[in-house]
Amino acid sequence: AQSVTQLDSQVPVFEEAPVELRCNYSSSVSVYLFWYVQYPNQGLQLLLKYLSGSTLVKGINGFEAEFNKSQTSFHLRKPSVHISDTAEYFCAVSEQGFQKLVFGTGTRLLVSP
Amino acid sequence: DTAVSQTPKYLVTQMGNDKSIKCEQNLGHDTMYWYKQDSKKFLKIMFSYNNKELIINETVPNRFSPKSPDKAHLNLHINSLELGDSAVYFCASSQEAAFSVGYTFGSGTRLTVV
Repeated sequence: AQSVTQLDSQVPVFEEAPVELRCNYSSSVSVYLFWYVQYPNQGLQLLLKYLSGSTLVKGINGFEAEFNKSQTSFHLRKPSVHISDTAEYFCAVSEQGFQKLVFGTGTRLLVSP
Repeated sequence: DTAVSQTPKYLVTQMGNDKSIKCEQNLGHDTMYWYKQDSKKFLKIMFSYNNKELIINETVPNRFSPKSPDKAHLNLHINSLELGDSAVYFCASSQEAAFSVGYTFGSGTRLTVV
């Protein structure tokens, strides 16, 4: 069965600094990978996804992520964060052919002035 | 607006009560889900229905009973509520043939059992 590990429960950064949120997964088959964002008291919104092809995927709000099959990682990056990026970020994996998303425990991104 | 909508948004109830949460999607999706988010923000799948048929039933107490009257609706009924049931419950939907697009989530129902 697939699983997801988000190594950092909280990442504090200053506004305009770059950030990387780490995600590692385990699965015995090919997977789809997703990043979702949850703003306070809201539902989850899809940031970006990797299905196949280019390992660098771009999403909304200036975020991007790189799929690394050998390291089973899918880290999320943004070159310059804003205060409004403060939120909870979830990495999720789905084994191809199955409609079940398994989420990591989330990383809280705290952006301060 | 096309969306996944859940009602109620907040639910406060006493232990032992029975309550329901409703979910509706107007996206034309054929698969719907219930996820539970605990106090540590961990999201875990509870149930999944495809065209009104139960396809995923994770290890959930049988006090929880999902019901799907049609493929646009998936309701969650909880009997004999316990303190540990306090959480945020999210409904989501997807299209089986286009699952790679990802889920669309509702805005959640915050259940507090006192």
